[in-house]
Amino acid sequence: EPEVTQTPSHQVTQMGQEVILRCVPISNHLYFYWYRQILGQKVEFLVSFYNNEISEKSEIFDDQFSVERPDGSNFTLKIRSTKLEDSAMYFCASGRGGEQYFGPGTRLTVT
Amino acid sequence: GDSVTQMEGPVTLSEEAFLTINCTYTATGYPSLFWYVQYPGEGLQLLLKATKADDKGSNKGFEATYRKETTSFHLEKGSVQVSDSAVYFCALSEEDTGRRALTFGSGTRLQVQP
Repeated sequence: EPEVTQTPSHQVTQMGQEVILRCVPISNHLYFYWYRQILGQKVEFLVSFYNNEISEKSEIFDDQFSVERPDGSNFTLKIRSTKLEDSAMYFCASGRGGEQYFGPGTRLTVT
Repeated sequence: GDSVTQMEGPVTLSEEAFLTINCTYTATGYPSLFWYVQYPGEGLQLLLKATKADDKGSNKGFEATYRKETTSFHLEKGSVQVSDSAVYFCALSEEDTGRRALTFGSGTRLQVQP
């Protein structure tokens, strides 16, 4: 059964550094999403991507964040200059219709 | 804006007990409703969904009915197993208004003891 994959599983970075989180969505899906979950808090929507452009974004998704689909398979989230409060689990998801299928997540730790 | 409220956990049950996890929602349109499950160390898995009033979603012995009049989507299972121990998230999206982003509840941890 196809699944969403994410790399790395854990990323440790210093404050102010740039990080890129990578996702490979399910191959025939059209919609792609990033969510995050700060430890002990709700899963929060960041951004959705359709037809090679951002279709929705939340207020969390400010100028420090960007997304890209550089080729036919990868979907990336870049954080330009990480802050301590960016430490969280980041989940990628993909879907064709109303359902979304999630990857296992990348745990980002900013020190 | 949209919101989802779930009962706080942890919920601790003995094996074969009946499970209910309450979920209520607030939405501006006519949302689709979902339950996701997160097993320890894993990502979110779609458990079941319902897209219109009175629909019942079901999977792996779990059920939830879309109740528009009470804006609820409570998760139930007749007989839980130790393997059901996980965190359960209720969520909604509003595709009818063009908003596919999921709004999640805070999650309810279920612990099933043998």
